[in-house]
Amino acid sequence: NAGVTQTPKFQVLKTGQSMTLQCAQDMNHEYMSWYRQDPGMGLRLIHYSVGAGITDQGEVPNGYNVSRSTTEDFPLRLLSAAPSQTSVYFCASRLRGREVTEAFFGQGTRLTVV
Amino acid sequence: GENVEQHPSTLSVQEGDSAVIKCTYSDSASNYFPWYKQELGKRPQLIIDIRSNVGEKKDQRIAVTLNKTAKHFSLHITETQPEDSAVYFCAAPDDPLSNDYKLSFGAGTTVTVRA
Repeated sequence: NAGVTQTPKFQVLKTGQSMTLQCAQDMNHEYMSWYRQDPGMGLRLIHYSVGAGITDQGEVPNGYNVSRSTTEDFPLRLLSAAPSQTSVYFCASRLRGREVTEAFFGQGTRLTVV
Repeated sequence: GENVEQHPSTLSVQEGDSAVIKCTYSDSASNYFPWYKQELGKRPQLIIDIRSNVGEKKDQRIAVTLNKTAKHFSLHITETQPEDSAVYFCAAPDDPLSNDYKLSFGAGTTVTVRA
């Protein structure tokens, strides 16, 4: 059981480039989400998904796209990278339901946009 | 949506002393309050959580207390050790009555335990 796996771990992009951050989980969790972590700002929700084919925006969605074609995978796409997107990105997953459950995080992707 | 405020932003304690981190939330319907620990360069991991039907929960040297009336909850670490040095995040559910609630996180507290 690998849990939540993110790739790559580090990435440097030039302004205007696009890329996809990969996230996969093997716990059969319906709920998956992407956060960005910036100093002094905690974890801010970018996008989330409650199941295959369903996605929605979080607190800071601009400049990012997501899709959910399978239960296991939830990639995050940066359309045209900007220096403001320099951050550490975390994917997380949990069971869905009103009985709130633990969120499991991936190991993070440190992205630098120059 | 839920607004979670966390204080202090940094905390330095002598090894063996206690550390307390406090969070306030805005949605009186919130019913679940987890705490995550993030060691340097690592992922956040759940260390303890509390549900709104209890006022306190303990797990060895860590405890969480909840005051629903005042809408605040706190993390207590006793007999601090160097391995307690990390960033700690509190969280609360946004729209807790929904199956698809989102977790709102506090800004984090950087705890440093001095030897």
